[in-house]
Amino acid sequence: AQSVTQPDIHITVSEGASLELRCNYSYGATPYLFWYVQSPGQGLQLLLKYFSGDTLVQGIKGFEAEFKRSQSSFNLRKPSVHWSDAAEYFCAVGVFGTGTASKLTFGTGTRLQVTL
Amino acid sequence: DAEITQSPRHKITETGRQVTLACHQTWNHNNMFWYRQDLGHGLRLIHYSYGVQDTNKGEVSDGYSVSRSNTEDLPLTLESAASSQTSVYFCASSDLAGGHEQYFGPGTRLTVT
Repeated sequence: AQSVTQPDIHITVSEGASLELRCNYSYGATPYLFWYVQSPGQGLQLLLKYFSGDTLVQGIKGFEAEFKRSQSSFNLRKPSVHWSDAAEYFCAVGVFGTGTASKLTFGTGTRLQVTL
Repeated sequence: DAEITQSPRHKITETGRQVTLACHQTWNHNNMFWYRQDLGHGLRLIHYSYGVQDTNKGEVSDGYSVSRSNTEDLPLTLESAASSQTSVYFCASSDLAGGHEQYFGPGTRLTVT
């Protein structure tokens, strides 16, 4: 069965500093990988996704992630964090069934705090 | 604009009562999912559906049921609510055309006393 590990439960960075959130996955085949963001009291919003092709993926809000097959990782990065980036971030791996559907397995999340 | 809505947003119920949480999407997506979110566990899949009349169990399906009579709705029923089912519940939908991106509702906070 597939699994996702986000080793950092909580990270604090200063506004303007760079950010890297770690994600490691376990899946027997080529994974479909996602990063979602959840603001307090809200649902989840997709930041970016990797299906195939270029291993460096650009997303919304200035985020990017790099797929490294050899390390089974899909780390999320941002060169300069803004106070509005404070939220919880979830990595997920997609498992595709027959036909068109995909189930997602989520990591436990990383809470990002941004200090001014 | 297309959206996915959940109701109620907050619910308090007593142990043993039947509770139904509504999920409605106007994306016209075939696939719908129910998750629960608990501290330290992230999101865990309860049930999912690939289309009308199709339902499947997820990893934490005990005590929950769903039915899919149309494309837009996937209600989640707790047959006999237990304190362990106190959680935040999220509904999501997706389809192939959207690259399997799941669109999430705002969530329902359920407290079982």
